[in-house]
Amino acid sequence: EVQLVQSGAEVKKPGESLQISCKGSGYSFDDYWVGWVRQMSGKGLELMGIIRPADSDTRYSPSFQGQVTISADKSISTVYLQWTSLRASDTAMYYCARGGQLIRSHFDPWGQGTLVTVAS
Amino acid sequence: DIQMTQSPSSLSASAGDRVTITCRASQTISGYLNWYQQKPGKGPKLLIGAASSLQSGIPSRFSGSGSGTDYTLTISGLRPEDFATYYCQQSYNTPYTFGQGTKVE
Repeated sequence: EVQLVQSGAEVKKPGESLQISCKGSGYSFDDYWVGWVRQMSGKGLELMGIIRPADSDTRYSPSFQGQVTISADKSISTVYLQWTSLRASDTAMYYCARGGQLIRSHFDPWGQGTLVTVAS
Repeated sequence: DIQMTQSPSSLSASAGDRVTITCRASQTISGYLNWYQQKPGKGPKLLIGAASSLQSGIPSRFSGSGSGTDYTLTISGLRPEDFATYYCQQSYNTPYTFGQGTKVE
């Protein structure tokens, strides 16, 4: 079974750093793009960026370029989303999702989501 | 960026109804259009890829069509478990963008 399992919920203060993770299993992890999607409370889906674990080729959405870092460790089939200085506006649910082997593909399956809360 | 405009943003329907949701792209996306269902407290679930390709395990009452800039998701015979929010997404050009969602209630 193809599965993405995300790390647990986080509560942080503004200015703190954070890294959340997404571990893939049941497929050839290196070969498939993985995306990170933000969903703020009661709002829609926003793609933050995608990464191909085989060579860490990463494409950021302009709104998130420079705000977060997406990385991968293919030795442990894990993709990361990292902030160096969190803001209250980063409070959201974050999903990872598997893309295709080719870049133009849908996302399936999705991880269970990681809730990030940033509050003083 | 390619803008995706979904309509309506919400709709009221009853079990058994035929529901149609449309999605318009700001430029041609050549069929690279995907539909997702999201239920409260859950992650999105892929229903249809490449405009009309029904994913494995998805009931046949869901169907997708369209080309160029205009696409449609149809639910033929709405069931109680179909009350959810539906999103379209283009995967033609990065950054892949989503529609704003349609809540079926």
